[in-house]
Amino acid sequence: DAGVIQSPRHEVTEMGQEVTLRCKPISGHNSLFWYRQTMMRGLELLIYFNNNVPIDDSGMPEDRFSAKMPNASFSTLKIQPSEPRDSAVYFCASSSGQNTGELFFGEGSRLTVL
Amino acid sequence: AQSVAQPEDQVNVAEGNPLTVKCTYSVSGNPYLFWYVQYPNRGLQFLLKYITGDNLVKGSYGFEAEFNKSQTSFHLKKPSALVSDSALYFCAVRGLGGNTPLVFGKGTRLSVIA
Repeated sequence: DAGVIQSPRHEVTEMGQEVTLRCKPISGHNSLFWYRQTMMRGLELLIYFNNNVPIDDSGMPEDRFSAKMPNASFSTLKIQPSEPRDSAVYFCASSSGQNTGELFFGEGSRLTVL
Repeated sequence: AQSVAQPEDQVNVAEGNPLTVKCTYSVSGNPYLFWYVQYPNRGLQFLLKYITGDNLVKGSYGFEAEFNKSQTSFHLKKPSALVSDSALYFCAVRGLGGNTPLVFGKGTRLSVIA
């Protein structure tokens, strides 16, 4: 079975540019989570969706960040404009509707903003 | 709000020796507890979880974890460490109330020395 698929795996961009990260969750999973990992702050939840609806976006750092889930098989995380402090690894994870269920993570998108 | 603490940033152990990676939690009600492992440049991989039942939970790669309600702990253990176990380990908790995200600890880096 295909796991959670993220693209791109690596992105290097210049400050001020728009960045779009993409995620395809596991088929049949109805919850999707975006996390950010940095050395300083560890793993932070940015936003999560249940049944394509954003439930909690309180972890989104600021208005430069936005996320969408237009359908059950696709989500995007957009940063516009990007800043050097956005450099991090961004993970997407999905899970089934069970609260006892584990999250399945993608391989991450490593973003470097110069 | 639920939280987990991993008191050790780094754990070093000799190959063949038993290992323990510590985790304590704070949550209202009964907790759902998880352990994940992250290898370099990879996503997080699920190891095991405690939902209910036996306090000793067995998981992947020979790992197990012991749930201790009185000490609010969920330590990860393995009887005999392998060099290939060297990685970053995360404890996570999920509270009650629907399909909520996991809240992760800061991670513990395990180094197994040959």
